[in-house]
Amino acid sequence: DVKVTQSSRYLVKRTGEKVFLECVQDMDHENMFWYRQDPGLGLRLIYFSYDVKMKEKGDIPEGYSVSREKKERFSLILESASTNQTSMYLCASSLPSRVGGNYYSNQPQHFGDGTRLSIL
Amino acid sequence: RKEVEQDPGPFNVPEGATVAFNCTYSNSASQSFFWYRQDCRKEPKLLMSVYSSGNEDGRFTAQLNRASQYISLLIRDSKLSDSATYLCVVSRKGNLIFGKGTKLSVKP
Repeated sequence: DVKVTQSSRYLVKRTGEKVFLECVQDMDHENMFWYRQDPGLGLRLIYFSYDVKMKEKGDIPEGYSVSREKKERFSLILESASTNQTSMYLCASSLPSRVGGNYYSNQPQHFGDGTRLSIL
Repeated sequence: RKEVEQDPGPFNVPEGATVAFNCTYSNSASQSFFWYRQDCRKEPKLLMSVYSSGNEDGRFTAQLNRASQYISLLIRDSKLSDSATYLCVVSRKGNLIFGKGTKLSVKP
């Protein structure tokens, strides 16, 4: 079974702090993703990565950055936390799909337990 | 039109009922389709992939209609443990798009 591990289940930080959320997967997956999930808004993609040192913006990247220094680890960084970043953060990983030389994430994604982040 | 649309529910059904969820998607180029299940305050988990010919896994049947851009999930003989939110998921170039989910509550 795929194991995706997020560093914290619950986290409380203050506005203006730099916050690091860590995610590690043990299945040698190339693709990794960060989402946030809010009531009524569903899952929204923040950033994703297809390879080490590679990153792509998702639908809501503003206020976030990411780091992928090793294949198994994908970090989400809140540069200066704000109260509107209070949310459930979910990391996922998947095998790659390639179609015509482009990257397609057509494989199912496997999620970590999530981190409930509160910014006060 | 939203990329993935689902009826939010909630669907409240008695044990043993048959319940159907529908989902529409806007991108005709989408190639992969899934249903995920998410329990309250937990992460989404893959329930099943959806194939063009339709597929079944025990009490669960998934159907895909590419012409109408429509996906369905049928649950037969529903159990209390089926209570959860069901997410329709569609691929787009580079990643997956998750619907907001349909909440199911199965009552004794």
